[in-house]
Amino acid sequence: KAGVTQTPRYLIKTRGQQVTLSCSPISGHRSVSWYQQTPGQGLQFLFEYFSETQRNKGNFPGRFSGRQFSNSRSEMNVSTLELGDSALYLCASSPLGIEQFFGPGTRLTVL
Amino acid sequence: SQQGEEDPQALSIQEGENATMNCSYKTSINNLQWYRQNSGRGLVHLILIRSNEREKHSGRLRVTLDTSKKSSSLLITASRAADTASYFCATAVGASGSRLTFGEGTQLTVNP
Repeated sequence: KAGVTQTPRYLIKTRGQQVTLSCSPISGHRSVSWYQQTPGQGLQFLFEYFSETQRNKGNFPGRFSGRQFSNSRSEMNVSTLELGDSALYLCASSPLGIEQFFGPGTRLTVL
Repeated sequence: SQQGEEDPQALSIQEGENATMNCSYKTSINNLQWYRQNSGRGLVHLILIRSNEREKHSGRLRVTLDTSKKSSSLLITASRAADTASYFCATAVGASGSRLTFGEGTQLTVNP
């Protein structure tokens, strides 16, 4: 099976802009989770979608949002970008949500 | 905030030696998982141990879990240069068990 794919792999934006990241899960996986990784805060959970419904949400401001489509593909959106949003954004898919398979990540740089 | 702490933060060993990494966590868990990350790339799932298990093996990996001490250890035997990576423990809480909380990670360097 093909692994989790994320697009784009690299992204440069300026403060105040918005960005949309995309994640295609492994075929058959219904759970998609998003994580943010920074040197200062480490790996932090953003949210999880299961069968198009947000099932879990982390402690991030409302500028961070996501959705999942009927084919399980997921998108994450960050509005009004701040410098601190620069990070590696990782998407993970799972059949039921427990063992998670990660994509290569999207490296977002906010200038 | 991080659920757990990992010890040591960095570990440097020679090929063929064993590497042991420890993880402590704070709350009750459903399971604990270990992941590997190579140089800022995606994470690779290594092994999952459930809260009612005490030890689990997978190839050169051995994981132990002590729920009374809220701690786990990952042992990599006969290490190879290709094992050089960051290793993270992750705990899952909640009904779905899908929200992972990661430790800070141990950077392992295996010198040829």
